[in-house]
Amino acid sequence: AAGVIQSPRHLIKEKRETATLKCYPIPRHDTVYWYQQGPGQDPQFLISFYEKMQSDKGSIPDRFSAQQFSDYHSELNMSSLELGDSALYFCASSLEGGGLRYEQFFGPGTRLTVL
Amino acid sequence: DQQVKQNSPSLSVQEGRISILNCDYTNSMFDYFLWYKKYPAEGPTFLISISSIKDKNEDGRFTVFLNKSAKHLSLHIVPSQPGDSAVYFCAASAATASKLTFGTGTRLQVTL
Repeated sequence: AAGVIQSPRHLIKEKRETATLKCYPIPRHDTVYWYQQGPGQDPQFLISFYEKMQSDKGSIPDRFSAQQFSDYHSELNMSSLELGDSALYFCASSLEGGGLRYEQFFGPGTRLTVL
Repeated sequence: DQQVKQNSPSLSVQEGRISILNCDYTNSMFDYFLWYKKYPAEGPTFLISISSIKDKNEDGRFTVFLNKSAKHLSLHIVPSQPGDSAVYFCAASAATASKLTFGTGTRLQVTL
């Protein structure tokens, strides 16, 4: 079965640079979530999109922005990178339509290292 | 503040025995709970979920129990297998927002 695809899998950037992370949800899933997992920490919710509209926002810095495109893929844009942004970034997708509750399926993550 | 807590950072169980992982939550708005398994350098893998209208859900070797009055849930794995060795995260969401709030994880080691 198709899974959530994230690219790149690894990314190394310098401080103050920008980074773009991409997420391709499971086909027919209409909702995408972004999570950040720092070393030794649990995943923290950043932002989500339902049907290409932002549906919820968590602890996402103003330096970060995201969007969901017409083909449902999503991109997380990170600017003015700081050392503390080094983390695993997970994308998850689910089918939310109809008000039912469905599990989120996670991608393999992008490991961002800021030097 | 940590709204979902897994107080045991690690657990070691012999192969074939039962593994019991525990999770407590503080937010009474949570009404949907999930367990994920995570290997290093991989994304969390969904295991099993339970809605607050139930107190038990079973799927093969995995059973999740929910005690709403105690705001406590547990994951039982029977029998435990070496391939179950991983970090297990408890997660919760509320009807008003689908985002997941994760616990801090429990590292399960199944020994031979």
